Amino acid sequence: EAGVAQSPRYKIIEKRQSVAFWCNPISGHATLYWYQQILGQGPKLLIQFQNNGVVDDSQLPKDRFSAERLKGVDSTLKIQPAKLEDSAVYLCASSLLNDSEQFFGPGTRLTVL
Amino acid sequence: DQQVKQNSPSLSVQEGRISILNCDYTNSMFDYFLWYKKYPAEGPTFLISISSIKDKNEDGRFTVFLNKSAKHLSLHIVPSQPGDSAVYFCAASPGSGNTPLVFGKGTRLSVIA
Repeated sequence: EAGVAQSPRYKIIEKRQSVAFWCNPISGHATLYWYQQILGQGPKLLIQFQNNGVVDDSQLPKDRFSAERLKGVDSTLKIQPAKLEDSAVYLCASSLLNDSEQFFGPGTRLTVL
Repeated sequence: DQQVKQNSPSLSVQEGRISILNCDYTNSMFDYFLWYKKYPAEGPTFLISISSIKDKNEDGRFTVFLNKSAKHLSLHIVPSQPGDSAVYFCAASPGSGNTPLVFGKGTRLSVIA
């Protein structure tokens, strides 16, 4: 069974630039999560989708971050414009409906200079 | 305000001995707890979980203990192996369905041969 795929694996940009991350969850997983993991911290939820609807985006900085999951499968997370404090690993996870076990992708490491 | 706390950033254990990783939580609404293991440049992988209706769950070398009154859980690894060297994250959620996870900061375990 293929795992959660994410791309790119690494990205370096300058502050005020834009960046987008892509996630392909495990086939059949209705729920998709984006987490931000700052160095030395645990992952923190940014947004949760169930199929193509947003369940929880209360911790998403909506002035600069956006995410979509248009067809209920792949998802993209965008930052525009990036700030220095956005430097982090962005993790995508997916799970079956009503299942607590989340499967994580390898993450995208973003460095904002 | 950290709702899930892992107060030991690192732990070193001799191969073959027991590793005990601790986790405390403050939110009394949490009733489902998970441990994830993370190797460098990889996403977290699920290890073991426990529901609040239990006080112990065992899976091979891994056992999780939950003390609800103390809001404390621990992960025991016996016997520890060099391949167990990784960062271990404690996570909690207010339910066993598709609820977002709240993670601790992680404990880096080093198993010395």
